Amino acid sequence: KAGVTQTPRYLIKTRGQQVTLSCSPISGHRSVSWYQQTPGQGLQFLFEYFSETQRNKGNFPGRFSGRQFSNSRSEMNVSTLELGDSALYLCASSLDGGNIQYFGAGTRLSVL
Amino acid sequence: AQSVTQPDIHITVSEGASLELRCNYSYGATPYLFWYVQSPGQGLQLLLKYFSGDTLVQGIKGFEAEFKRSQSSFNLRKPSVHWSDAAEYFCAVISSGSARQLTFGSGTQLTVLP
Repeated sequence: KAGVTQTPRYLIKTRGQQVTLSCSPISGHRSVSWYQQTPGQGLQFLFEYFSETQRNKGNFPGRFSGRQFSNSRSEMNVSTLELGDSALYLCASSLDGGNIQYFGAGTRLSVL
Repeated sequence: AQSVTQPDIHITVSEGASLELRCNYSYGATPYLFWYVQSPGQGLQLLLKYFSGDTLVQGIKGFEAEFKRSQSSFNLRKPSVHWSDAAEYFCAVISSGSARQLTFGSGTQLTVLP
């Protein structure tokens, strides 16, 4: 069974641009969560989607948004990029009602 | 609010030596606890989990962890470290209920000397 797939693996953007990251969960998993990892703040929860609905949201500005499609694939979007958005963005999937989250390899975003 | 503390930022051990990584949590109810490992440039791999029952849990790669409610701790151990264990280790807790949000500790970087 394939794991969680995140694309692209690396992105370089400039301030003010927007970016879209993609996540394909493990087959059969309907919950997708996103996390941001930075050296200063560590791993922080962004949001969780289940059945195309945002079920939970972390403490991030509205520039960070996401969505989930009917096949459970998820995208997250960051608008008006700032230097501080440079981070590793991790996606995790889990079974409905499951507490175990399985992570993808992440997308490394660099904002110049 | 729940929180996780990993007091050791960096630990260095010799190959073949034993290892213990510390984790303390703050959570009102019985927590669901996890240890994840992250190699450079990679995502997080689940080592082991504790939900209930036996307080000593076994994981992959020869790791184990012990849940101690009285000390609010969930320390990770390995009897003999291999050079390939060098990585960053994260302890995490998940809230019960419908909000499947992991709260992570700040991580412990493990260096293994030959």
